[in-house]
Amino acid sequence: NAGVMQNPRHLVRRRGQEARLRCSPMKGHSHVYWYRQLPEEGLKFMVYLQKENIIDESGMPKERFSAEFPKEGPSILRIQQVVRGDSAAYFCASSPGEGVEAFFGQGTRLTVV
Amino acid sequence: AQKITQTQPGMFVQEKEAVTLDCTYDTSDQSYGLFWYKQPSSGEMIFLIYQGSYDEQNATEGRYSLNFQKARKSANLVISASQLGDSAMYFCAMRQGGNQAGTALIFGKGTTLSVSS
Repeated sequence: NAGVMQNPRHLVRRRGQEARLRCSPMKGHSHVYWYRQLPEEGLKFMVYLQKENIIDESGMPKERFSAEFPKEGPSILRIQQVVRGDSAAYFCASSPGEGVEAFFGQGTRLTVV
Repeated sequence: AQKITQTQPGMFVQEKEAVTLDCTYDTSDQSYGLFWYKQPSSGEMIFLIYQGSYDEQNATEGRYSLNFQKARKSANLVISASQLGDSAMYFCAMRQGGNQAGTALIFGKGTTLSVSS
């Protein structure tokens, strides 16, 4: 049973480009969470999705950031027109809907140059 | 507002010694869950241990135990018999509603543990 898969592991984008981060939850998990980790900081919640629905996006910046979790395929976190301040590690976690939210992906490290 | 505080930016311990990493939390909810994660230099987040607010016994997982003091709102992680591989960043986290999905985790800023031989 594969764990939560995130790709790419590392992503470099120039200012103004778009970044697309992908997260495939564990098999059987229909709940996905995205978190952002700035250097020397803990993780900060961004968005919580279930299949085809955004449940809570209270941690998402209002502009340039969007997330989706389609019926088929991975969850996508999209950052448009990236700026240097978007450089961070982005983690995805999945859960089956109950039980401990213990399963994180390895993260995508975004660097904006 | 919910908050997690980890006051130790860095801790140093020798192999085979025990170490306690501090975590205090603030919440007005009666039902909540407390988690500890390990983040090694490779960057992944590894779940270590969970304690529910209604659990009467302190949680234990191998060499990890959680010293849960509800009245003090503390959830310290105790690592017994430290190993070199324990060197990592450790995060305490809390979720409202205990063990159920649907609410996100709130993380502390972490404690860096360094284990020396």
